[in-house]
Amino acid sequence: DVKVTQSSRYLVKRTGEKVFLECVQDMDHENMFWYRQDPGLGLRLIYFSYDVKMKEKGDIPEGYSVSREKKERFSLILESASTNQTSMYLCASSSYKKGGGTYEQYFGPGTRLTVT
Amino acid sequence: GEDVEQSLFLSVREGDSSVINCTYTDSSSTYLYWYKQEPGAGLQLLTYIFSNMDMKQDQRLTVLLNKKDKHLSLRIADTQTGDSAIYFCAVRNSGYSTLTFGKGTMLLVSP
Repeated sequence: DVKVTQSSRYLVKRTGEKVFLECVQDMDHENMFWYRQDPGLGLRLIYFSYDVKMKEKGDIPEGYSVSREKKERFSLILESASTNQTSMYLCASSSYKKGGGTYEQYFGPGTRLTVT
Repeated sequence: GEDVEQSLFLSVREGDSSVINCTYTDSSSTYLYWYKQEPGAGLQLLTYIFSNMDMKQDQRLTVLLNKKDKHLSLRIADTQTGDSAIYFCAVRNSGYSTLTFGKGTMLLVSP
């Protein structure tokens, strides 16, 4: 079974702090994703990566950055946390198969971040 | 870009069938998915359907795809209280590895 783990289930940080959210997958997936989930807004894609050291902006990248130094690990960084970044953060991974693939994403359990 | 719409809430009685509906805009979408999210948890993949299929059945789950109307549905037979959760429809963005998700339908199953 695919396993995606996230470093914390709950996190409380102060405004202005630098915050690191870590995600690790154990299935050698090429693609990794960071979403935030807010009531009434569903899932919104922040950043994704299709290879080591590669990153692409999603729909709401402002205020975030990412790092992918190893294939299994994808980090989301909040350079200076603000209260409007209080949210549930979900990491996901998927495989890329040349010539075909079903592209389903596998999700971690989520990190509920509160910025005070 | 792709837009995926779902109704926000559905309430059914235990033992009834549930039908959750979804519409999307990009007719070239190749894969369509249903995910389930229980309280405080991540999303769990339930099933997916390829765009050249009309129907897919997996135990109590039936997925119907109407490509002409860009409409996807998930039917849960003999719904149980353990099926209470948020259900997300998702569509693969054409040519990319990314998915667009609907806002989710909260299914409440009462005894």
